[in-house]
Amino acid sequence: EIVLTQSPATLSLSPGERATLSCRASQSVRSYLGWYQQKPGQTPRLLIYDVSNRATGVPARFSGSGSGTDFTLTISSLEPEDFAVYYCQQRNSWPQTFGQGTKVEIK
Amino acid sequence: QVQLQQWGAGLLKPSETLSLTCALYGGSFSGYYWTWIRQPPGKGLEWIGEINDSGITNYNPSLKSRVTISADTSKNHFSLNLNSVTAADTALYYCARGGGVVIVPGSIYWFDPWGQGTLVTVSS
Repeated sequence: EIVLTQSPATLSLSPGERATLSCRASQSVRSYLGWYQQKPGQTPRLLIYDVSNRATGVPARFSGSGSGTDFTLTISSLEPEDFAVYYCQQRNSWPQTFGQGTKVEIK
Repeated sequence: QVQLQQWGAGLLKPSETLSLTCALYGGSFSGYYWTWIRQPPGKGLEWIGEINDSGITNYNPSLKSRVTISADTSKNHFSLNLNSVTAADTALYYCARGGGVVIVPGSIYWFDPWGQGTLVTVSS
C-alpha cells in the first residue's frame, strides 16, 4: 500500500497569503496524484487531478506540481472560503490511498 | 448536472450488515468506475472499493473479506454491503463517481462528484 504523508498537519495563515501544502508518497505514483478540499460539514471536492490539472470550476489561484513521490498544492492568495482541510490521493496502485490531510486555518 | 444520492440504515448493532445504495442522476453509468469511501468522525478518508460498468470490482485489502460492491446498471444504482460490523466501522460513508487504477490520465478517474454522505453508527 502506498502511504501518502502530508505536511504540515496545520497551516495557520492570513487571507491574502500564499499557502504551500506538501504530499509525499512512500513510492512513486507517477503523475496519478490529486487534491481534494473539504470544508466542515461538507463533502470533499476535487480540486486538482493528475498532479496539475484543475477540475471544472476551480479558481486559478489553486495550482499543483510535482512528480514521482513529491507533490505540492499551492494557493497563491488565500480567500476566506479557502480555509479548509486538503487531502491528497493517489490512483497509481490499489488500494487507492489518501493522505491524512492538511488543515489550513485562519491565523 | 451529475448528482449522486445515497441512502441506507444509519444505526447498526455489532455483527450486523451495513447496506448502502447510491443512485446516479443526470449522467451515464457507462464508462466510469463507481466508488465507496468512508471517513471516521474527525479523521481522514479511506477508500473501500469500486465497481466499473462491466461489474469488475476492486476492494481495499483491509476490508476485502467483509465487503461486497454491486451495481444495477438498469437503475443507475450501485450498492455497498459490509458485514460483521464493529464500532470501528462507525463513519461517514460516501459514494463517488471515479476510481480505477488506469494508466492513462483523465478527469474521469478521479472522485467527482460525491454523494451527500451517510453517517453509519455501530453501537450496541
